[in-house]
Amino acid sequence: GAVVSQHPSRVICKSGTSVKIECRSLDFQATTMFWYRQFPKQSLMLMATSNEGSKATYEQGVEKDKFLINHASLTLSTLTVTSAHPEDSSFYICSARIIQGANTEAFFGQGTRLTVV
Amino acid sequence: AQKITQTQPGMFVQEKEAVTLDCTYDTSDPSYGLFWYKQPSSGEMIFLIYQGSYDQQNATEGRYSLNFQKARKSANLVISASQLGDSAMYFCAMKDTGGFKTIFGAGTRLFVKA
Repeated sequence: GAVVSQHPSRVICKSGTSVKIECRSLDFQATTMFWYRQFPKQSLMLMATSNEGSKATYEQGVEKDKFLINHASLTLSTLTVTSAHPEDSSFYICSARIIQGANTEAFFGQGTRLTVV
Repeated sequence: AQKITQTQPGMFVQEKEAVTLDCTYDTSDPSYGLFWYKQPSSGEMIFLIYQGSYDQQNATEGRYSLNFQKARKSANLVISASQLGDSAMYFCAMKDTGGFKTIFGAGTRLFVKA
């Protein structure tokens, strides 16, 4: 199946610094990628939809200036958590969709566990 | 608005037995897709099975089958012959009409006992 690679898998940063997370589709082109946030023992919460070559679409309540998304190519989307604070500590996971007929299967990256100290 | 409901926060099953994880959904769109994902403790999301709203037959993938009851708006996942490696979180999800956004349920944690 298709592979989505997310990097880094784990990062610890100091409060006030920025962290960039990469999401790559390795063997297919993804015009659309999705960024999710997951708190411990909770479900995935969609943060934004990343579209290649255009601005990301953010979900209600997600600060676009806080979570910068760049989808510069058909295989790479990045999420930058700016001026991170301890409350930004979470599990962030991306996905990319292959559209094959009626079955739009989504492939997920491995996720990034962010800890802000 | 679309909604996915998983009412079982945790489930236990004996190894080699079958288990059913419940999922109900709500949508006014006639065309939709339903997914099940497995999330082990490592955090990765693993696609298990897909059911389209117009599919006539229930989807099956190896030990996984989806009990799709359209009139009841339910899409339960059945895992046959449970294995210890099946212990994980399981999420039911639905894609919207446009086929892009995916909405996830709260998840069910499955524990397989030896």
